[in-house]
Amino acid sequence: TQLLEQSPQFLSIQEGENLTVYCNSSSVFSSLQWYRQEPGEGPVLLVTVVTGGEVKKLKRLTFQFGDARKDSSLHITAAQPGDTGLYLCAGAWGNTGKLIFGQGTTLQVKP
Amino acid sequence: DAGITQSPRHKVTETGTPVTLRCHQTENHRYMYWYRQDPGHGLRLIHYSYGVKDTDKGEVSDGYSVSRSKTEDFLLTLESATSSQTSVYFCAITRTPDPGNEQFFGPGTRLTVL
Repeated sequence: TQLLEQSPQFLSIQEGENLTVYCNSSSVFSSLQWYRQEPGEGPVLLVTVVTGGEVKKLKRLTFQFGDARKDSSLHITAAQPGDTGLYLCAGAWGNTGKLIFGQGTTLQVKP
Repeated sequence: DAGITQSPRHKVTETGTPVTLRCHQTENHRYMYWYRQDPGHGLRLIHYSYGVKDTDKGEVSDGYSVSRSKTEDFLLTLESATSSQTSVYFCAITRTPDPGNEQFFGPGTRLTVL
């Protein structure tokens, strides 16, 4: 059974601070996706990483896929209140499009 | 906007009653998924479909059934709702199941079973 451990589960920081969220597994994934979810809405994809060691940047967000494709991280530089939300990592495997999700990280950025 | 709607958006029901949630898509995608979201568990896959009348179980399928008689509609049924099925339910579609595929989610249905 695939399992994806996401940490931390809660993070409350001041505006301008940096933070990192981690996703770890003992399983190998064909891709790893990061989603962001606002209250009352469905998750929205931020990025997909496919190649081991891959790094992608989206403005102040940096995503990394581990060399062995078992883990990933999301780093936010100079967090802003608009970054507040639930961040979810999800691993894909096989050819059915099924995803296994981490537990989620609730981020609160205080002004 | 992936053209996904869910109905109803909110529902309160009593233990033991049947409940059907509907997911409707307008873009003719083959793959559709039902998830439930609970605090501390992220999203967990209930059932998925890879075509009309082609469905399979996810990791938390007990107590749920699905049907897909048309490409655009994927129905999730709780035959006899229990309080443990109180949750937020999300439908999703994917445009391709290849590695790197992304899923597009509907707005969710908040179900409360009393």
